[in-house]
Amino acid sequence: SYELTQPPSVSVSPGQTATITCSGDSLAKHYAHWYQQRPGQAPLLVIFQDTERPSGIPERFSGSTSETSVTLTISGVQAEDEADYYCQSADYSGSYRRIFGGGTKLTVL
Amino acid sequence: EVQLLESGGGLVQPGGSLRLSCAASGFTFTNYAISWVRQAPGKGLEWVSAVSGGGRNIRYIDSVRGRFTISGDISRNTVYLQMNSLRAEDTAVYYCAKEDSSSSPYFDYWGQGTLVTVSS
Repeated sequence: SYELTQPPSVSVSPGQTATITCSGDSLAKHYAHWYQQRPGQAPLLVIFQDTERPSGIPERFSGSTSETSVTLTISGVQAEDEADYYCQSADYSGSYRRIFGGGTKLTVL
Repeated sequence: EVQLLESGGGLVQPGGSLRLSCAASGFTFTNYAISWVRQAPGKGLEWVSAVSGGGRNIRYIDSVRGRFTISGDISRNTVYLQMNSLRAEDTAVYYCAKEDSSSSPYFDYWGQGTLVTVSS
């Protein structure tokens, strides 16, 4: 079955660049999407279809892809970016289930 | 403005039932799928079920198939999740989320969630 793997945590100082990776076999065939979730809040879409940014999301958020992995990059990290980040894709092997990665806690030092 | 409003959560004993509702507005209901995504306390996101805008295509995660039923009411722009035979491991915040219509679905709008607690 398809799975998406993320590092449990990433730490970065304010103003620096944070990178969060997500790997999985399904990513070679299907898009990945990224969500930010601050404590006590609902998730927020920050990147869709690997590299696209929804309106209203700051330009410091960007996405890239390479074969079976995708990367979320946050340039010039701000304190408000501290949150959990989840990648998401789909399993089209038959069940058409949507899959989330385990999530990465971004800590701004 | 797209809005999704969940309701129906609460405390229920193991083996009991609950029905969650997701009232949608701000978009053409029949054109988009709606999913339920849950988050157990301190855990990550887990997709549970999806129903297409027309109600024809329905999907479930294996752990809820046969116990949960998703449905949509076009007249009320509302999606329901009927949850039967509830277990302790179903305890979570349940979010409904609008899916964008694309070859690889993603969730562009989310509700604020409703808490389901299964405990004796």
